[in-house]
Amino acid sequence: GGIITQTPKFLIGQEGQKLTLKCQQNFNHDTMYWYRQDSGKGLRLIYYSITENDLQKGDLSEGYDASREKKSSFSLTVTSAQKNEMAVFLCASSIPGNTEVFFGKGTRLTVV
Amino acid sequence: QQKVQQSPESLIVPEGGMASLNCTSSDRNVDYFWWYRQHSGKSPKMLMSIFSNGEKEEGRFTVHLNKASLHTSLHIRDSQPSDSALYLCAASDTNTGKLTFGDGTVLTVKP
Repeated sequence: GGIITQTPKFLIGQEGQKLTLKCQQNFNHDTMYWYRQDSGKGLRLIYYSITENDLQKGDLSEGYDASREKKSSFSLTVTSAQKNEMAVFLCASSIPGNTEVFFGKGTRLTVV
Repeated sequence: QQKVQQSPESLIVPEGGMASLNCTSSDRNVDYFWWYRQHSGKSPKMLMSIFSNGEKEEGRFTVHLNKASLHTSLHIRDSQPSDSALYLCAASDTNTGKLTFGDGTVLTVKP
């Protein structure tokens, strides 16, 4: 089995600050995803990547950048943190095609 | 507007009862449906997937799919308190690799 590691687990930032969240997976999966989950709600797709150096926008990409320099890592940048985006950010990965997606434990973002 | 709509938003069933959850996609490019379960404070875990018309059963869980209407439903029989969780429906597009989730149904099973 493999594991998806997200760092940091908790991130506190100031309004307007640029913040970066990191994700590493050792499944050797090609596809990786970033989702945002507001408290008690569903998952909204921010960015995904089907292979190294590929980036695809999701439905919530405005205000975020992403980077996939290596197959095993996918980072997400909040370009200017806002108080209304306090949420848990979940990274996920899968092999190509219709296969199970595995999730990391999340990064909880608080903006003060 | 969410392209994957789930109903109801929340559901309470007695222990031993049947829980029925619904999900519809408005994106005609999707061709695979997933059900994930997320316990409080945990990450989502896959329960079942379906891509052909009809029904699929695994233990107490049954999933139905109607491809023409892009509607799927999840039925949990003999519900247990440990089934209490947020149930997330997702739809994927094989051509793009995009996986979109709905807002979920919060299921509470009362002992």
